[in-house]
Amino acid sequence: AQSVTQPDIHITVSEGASLELRCNYSYGATPYLFWYVQSPGQGLQLLLKYFSGDTLVQGIKGFEAEFKRSQSSFNLRKPSVHWSDAAEYFCAVGAPLTGANNLFFGTGTRLTVIP
Amino acid sequence: DADVTQTPRNRITKTGKRIMLECSQTKGHDRMYWYRQDPGLGLRLIYYSFDVKDINKGEISDGYSVSRQAQAKFSLSLESAIPNQTALYFCATSDYGGALTGELFFGEGSRLTVL
Repeated sequence: AQSVTQPDIHITVSEGASLELRCNYSYGATPYLFWYVQSPGQGLQLLLKYFSGDTLVQGIKGFEAEFKRSQSSFNLRKPSVHWSDAAEYFCAVGAPLTGANNLFFGTGTRLTVIP
Repeated sequence: DADVTQTPRNRITKTGKRIMLECSQTKGHDRMYWYRQDPGLGLRLIYYSFDVKDINKGEISDGYSVSRQAQAKFSLSLESAIPNQTALYFCATSDYGGALTGELFFGEGSRLTVL
């Protein structure tokens, strides 16, 4: 069965520093991969998604993610973090070959940005 | 106005009470979902519906029921609430591509506390 692991529960970075949030998935074929962001008191918003093709995908708000099949990873990166990036980030996987019709979400990584 | 609206946003109730969480959307999407979010567990799918005549159980449907009153409305009911149903509940919608290939659009969440 497919699953998603986000090993970091909480990360703190300084404003202007670079950011990398880790995501590992388990699935026997190429999955569909997503990163969502949840700002305080808000619902989730899609940052970016990967289906196929170029393994480096660009998203909104200056985020990017790289699919690495050999490592079963889809890490999220941002070169320079802004205070407004403080939020919770969820990696999610879709399993197109299973017939499932839902996404499986990781447990989330909470990002704190310090001045 | 939000594209996906959930009511109530906050609710405190007692064990054994019947609770209904309502979701309405103006995105014109056929597909609607109910997720539950618990700290450290991420989001888990409760029920999903691909049209008004199609209701499907998700990962954690026990203790919940749903009703798709119209394309734009999808309600979640707890017939007899229990404390371990205390959580943040999200409604989401998607277009025909579904959760696998499309984007989920989330409401702002309904926080339910069962005493």
